[in-house]
Amino acid sequence: GAVVSQHPSRVICKSGTSVKIECRSLDFQATTMFWYRQFPKQSLMLMATSNEGSKATYEQGVEKDKFLINHASLTLSTLTVTSAHPEDSSFYICSAPSGGSGYTFGSGTRLTVV
Amino acid sequence: GESVGLHLPTLSVQEGDNSIINCAYSNSASDYFIWYKQESGKGPQFIIDIRSNMDKRQGQRVTVLLNKTVKHLSLQIAATQPGDSAVYFCAERANQAGTALIFGKGTTLSVSS
Repeated sequence: GAVVSQHPSRVICKSGTSVKIECRSLDFQATTMFWYRQFPKQSLMLMATSNEGSKATYEQGVEKDKFLINHASLTLSTLTVTSAHPEDSSFYICSAPSGGSGYTFGSGTRLTVV
Repeated sequence: GESVGLHLPTLSVQEGDNSIINCAYSNSASDYFIWYKQESGKGPQFIIDIRSNMDKRQGQRVTVLLNKTVKHLSLQIAATQPGDSAVYFCAERANQAGTALIFGKGTTLSVSS
């Protein structure tokens, strides 16, 4: 079946630094990747949609200059959290449409900003 | 006091009971719905889906019911097991394949043996 590999699974960074999260589709082409953020005991909130070869679309209230998304190829989308602050600490999950009506999710990245 | 909506509601059941988890969705134009199970620290795991032209679909031990009139979904789990303990989310897709799933608030299912 379709697999999306997400790395890293956990990362701790200092305030003010940047962190890059990668999602790779391993056995299918992901022309679109959805990025979600999930705070503890809350639901997944859609942050943005990346499309290969074009600019990402951000949801209302998500700062595009803070959450940089790049979809450089048909198998790789990256999310960079720039100038991270403790309030950015969260669980970040990517997802790609994977044929038919299916969606494949990455395993998530736990970001802790200290 | 506790803020409404910031914490997931919890359903506590005994092993062997049937569980019913409910979800209200927002978009009357949504054409496809999925139930996911999420364990701590992991991504969502597909359970069962249903299209808007159906009102019921059954899987192994699970049944999804869709009531479009009131924009309501439910997930029924038969003979609930401790391994079913997790957070359950419904997700809806607006009327177009390949668009993002929008997730509902979620319910924590706690199964005691």
